Amino acid sequence: GAVVSQHPSRVICKSGTSVKIECRSLDFQATTMFWYRQFPKQSLMLMATSNEGSKATYEQGVEKDKFLINHASLTLSTLTVTSAHPEDSSFYICSARTGVNEKLLFGSGTQLSVL
Amino acid sequence: AQTVTQSQPEMSVQEAETVTLSCTYDTSENNYYLFWYKQPPSRQMILVIRQEAYKQQNATENRFSVNFQKAAKSFSLKISDSQLGDTAMYFCAFFPLNDYKLSFGAGTTVTVRA
Repeated sequence: GAVVSQHPSRVICKSGTSVKIECRSLDFQATTMFWYRQFPKQSLMLMATSNEGSKATYEQGVEKDKFLINHASLTLSTLTVTSAHPEDSSFYICSARTGVNEKLLFGSGTQLSVL
Repeated sequence: AQTVTQSQPEMSVQEAETVTLSCTYDTSENNYYLFWYKQPPSRQMILVIRQEAYKQQNATENRFSVNFQKAAKSFSLKISDSQLGDTAMYFCAFFPLNDYKLSFGAGTTVTVRA
């Protein structure tokens, strides 16, 4: 069945390095994907919306040069955290519209820890 | 902009009992969906139940049911016959059909006691 596969599940990196997170739609084409950030015991905050083949739309307060989103195909969207710093440490989750009854599927999330 | 309010940060319920989680939302939109998502300790987001705004009938999914009051902009979730596996954080979410962006409430942590 339709699934959103997100990798890696956990990444630890040094301050100043860049980290790429991938979300793939399996058994369906995701024309729209969403990226969220979640701090411990808090809600999911929408960071950006990506549509295949076009530039991502970022929510207010989200630095587009810090969080690069690419949605080059109907099955893959990536989030790159550039020059990561400890304050970027968080849980990042992607979701995708399946196009069926507005069903949204979520990836399993990526825990980013920046040392 | 839409806001979703969950006023109960934490709820505790005895196994087999019933618990009701509250959610209110604010919108000027007429066409939207409302969801309840469950996030267990694994942090995987799991859809619990969905309600289309144009439907008057309250949605039910096995032990989960909602009380949807459109005029009052209220969307509560009732968990019946609570099970230990229901322990999780529950998020109410609003999904307008004009921009397809999901807005989440702050969440309610539900603990089911044995």
